[in-house]
Amino acid sequence: EIVLTQSPATLSLSPGERATLSCRASQSLNTYLAWYQHKPGQAPRPLIFDAFDRATGVPARFSGSGSGTDFTLIISSLEPDDFAVYYCQQRSSWPLTFGQGTKLEIK
Amino acid sequence: EVQLVESGGGLVKPGGSLRLSCVASGFNFNNAWMSWVRQAPGKGLEWVGRAKSKAAGGTIEYDAPVKGRFIISRDDSKNTVYLQMNSLKTEDTALYYCTADHRDGYFIYWGQGALVTVSS
Repeated sequence: EIVLTQSPATLSLSPGERATLSCRASQSLNTYLAWYQHKPGQAPRPLIFDAFDRATGVPARFSGSGSGTDFTLIISSLEPDDFAVYYCQQRSSWPLTFGQGTKLEIK
Repeated sequence: EVQLVESGGGLVKPGGSLRLSCVASGFNFNNAWMSWVRQAPGKGLEWVGRAKSKAAGGTIEYDAPVKGRFIISRDDSKNTVYLQMNSLKTEDTALYYCTADHRDGYFIYWGQGALVTVSS
């Protein structure tokens, strides 16, 4: 099973700042990695597929990069609506697995 | 508009059974691979299993913690996917999301979830 390790566990930033979230895989994923945003009481929202493809309707301030074992989600300028938990997820091999999440909180 | 609506959650004793249903609308269900993803209280997301479309062979796959206890099935005539949960354990307590797969392994559409509580 591929283990995804996200860092940091919690990120405290202010609106307008840049957020950098990391996801490291225990083995190579090629680019088979997605990112999701999850807010309390809501369904997770897909943001990025295949490392850098933004999902439909996702603002351009969200960008993904990386390949192999190291991936990054960048939010270029945080808006109040962006504070949530973010998960990475791989589809490179069975079983499908998620990272443990990064909580992005308002500083 | 895409909708996934789960139902059937509730409180069940350890060792008991429960069946979740998920009715889909707004997309081509027949061609969709449907997964269940769960989130235990205070924990992260965990993939439970999926049912591939008939066109893809209709294969059902499960993650190790539920294999042999949970059964996923689908009824394409009703746009519905099911999760039959047997021999439930306290660690199965979670919010269970129904999802539609994208690119054979991502989750593009999500329901609001059905809460399953396993407790004596």
